[in-house]
Amino acid sequence: DAGVTQSPTHLIKTRGQQVTLRCSPISGHKSVSWYQQVLGQGPQFIFQYYEKEERGRGNFPDRFSARQFPNYSSELNVNALLLGDSALYLCASSFSGEETQYFGPGTRLLVL
Amino acid sequence: QKEVEQDPGPLSVPEGAIVSLNCTYSNSAFQYFMWYRQYSRKGPELLMYTYSSGNKEDGRFTAQVDKSSKYISLFIRDSQPSDSATYLCAMSALSYGGSQGNLIFGKGTKLSVKP
Repeated sequence: DAGVTQSPTHLIKTRGQQVTLRCSPISGHKSVSWYQQVLGQGPQFIFQYYEKEERGRGNFPDRFSARQFPNYSSELNVNALLLGDSALYLCASSFSGEETQYFGPGTRLLVL
Repeated sequence: QKEVEQDPGPLSVPEGAIVSLNCTYSNSAFQYFMWYRQYSRKGPELLMYTYSSGNKEDGRFTAQVDKSSKYISLFIRDSQPSDSATYLCAMSALSYGGSQGNLIFGKGTKLSVKP
């Protein structure tokens, strides 16, 4: 069975640009969460979606947004990129958001 | 004070050693405690999950929670080179982060097990 998949694996952007990251959950999972992991730090919660509705939001600015599609895949958008947005962006899926979260390999974003 | 504190290491041990990894926390509402293992350039993988205080054992891994001291531990017995990874503690007031999916992670401890 395929695990959580994320695309792209790596991305280089410049300050001020916009980026879209994609996540496909494990088949049958309806909940997707996004986390940011800065080098040397643990993951920090950004958003959780369940059945296309936002259920939770972490302490991130409005430049960060996300959505979930009818097939339960999800996109994370970041506008007006800053150097500090350079990080590994992790997607995690679970059945309903209240069970074990399974993480994907992440998208490594570098902002120059 | 951060909600979850974890010594980032690095920690280097010889093969076969017993490894002890620890986290402290400040939020007394935390009831669910997890340990994740993260290999280089991979996403975190859930190793252990415990609720409230007590011990849980799974093979070579033992997780301990002491809520009175706000202290959790992960012990790895007979450590192997394949255990070399970063170990992240995570916790939540709600099961697996609850419907908000919000897990609070430590910084992670980088472990190296030398053959």
